Amino acid sequence: DAGVIQSPRHEVTEMGQEVTLRCKPISGHDYLFWYRQTMMRGLELLIYFNNNVPIDDSGMPEDRFSAKMPNASFSTLKIQPSEPRDSAVYFCASRQGLAGTDTQYFGPGTRLTVL
Amino acid sequence: AQSVTQPDIHITVSEGASLELRCNYSYGATPYLFWYVQSPGQGLQLLLKYFSGDTLVQGIKGFEAEFKRSQSSFNLRKPSVHWSDAAEYFCAVSSNSGYALNFGKGTSLLVTP
Repeated sequence: DAGVIQSPRHEVTEMGQEVTLRCKPISGHDYLFWYRQTMMRGLELLIYFNNNVPIDDSGMPEDRFSAKMPNASFSTLKIQPSEPRDSAVYFCASRQGLAGTDTQYFGPGTRLTVL
Repeated sequence: AQSVTQPDIHITVSEGASLELRCNYSYGATPYLFWYVQSPGQGLQLLLKYFSGDTLVQGIKGFEAEFKRSQSSFNLRKPSVHWSDAAEYFCAVSSNSGYALNFGKGTSLLVTP
C-alpha cells in the first residue's frame, strides 16, 4: 500500500491567494483527519470525516478554511484567502474503524508558507 | 478534557546510551495512549500504543513504553539509542470513543556520537 498521499509537499504563496491541499487516504479507510502543526500550538485537529461526511469541524480556525471529501479516495483542505499566520505543516491521516485503539496513519504533510 | 504533557522540549543523548522520554496525561477514564515519531520532513509513524492489558508495551525499532496509572504517565524508553533515532517524538491520547488524537507538544531528540 502506498500509504496516505498528500500534495503538494511544499507550497509557497502570497497573502490573499487561495491554497488547496490534497489528500488521498489509504484504500478502505473510512476515517480521514486533517491536522495542522505549528511551533506554537503543536499538532491540532482541524476536521475529520467518516465515510466522506464531515463529523467534527470545530478545530477549523475560521471561515477562510474549508474541507471537502467528495469520495472515499480524495479530500481537499482549502484556505481562501490565505494569511501569513496560516503558515504551517498540514497533515492528513486516515484510519479504519472507530475504536480508540485503531491506528491513524499519517501522510508526509504539506509545508505551507504564506508570504 | 484530555491533555498530554511532554515536559522535555529537547533531549540530547549519546549514541548507545539509554533513553527515556516523559509523557503525562490528564484524562478521567482509562486513556488510549500512543507514541509517534516524526523524522525530519516526514509524517508521523506509530511506534506503539496502549489500551489495556500488560502495562509494558513493546513497539517497533526497539522502543517500549510503560503505562503507570498512579503517575498518569506513559514514558517511552529505549535501552540503546542509535543515531537514526534522532527525530521528534509525540505522545498522544485518545478517548474510548476514539475519533481523534490529542497530541503533546513533542520532544526533539538529538543523538551525539
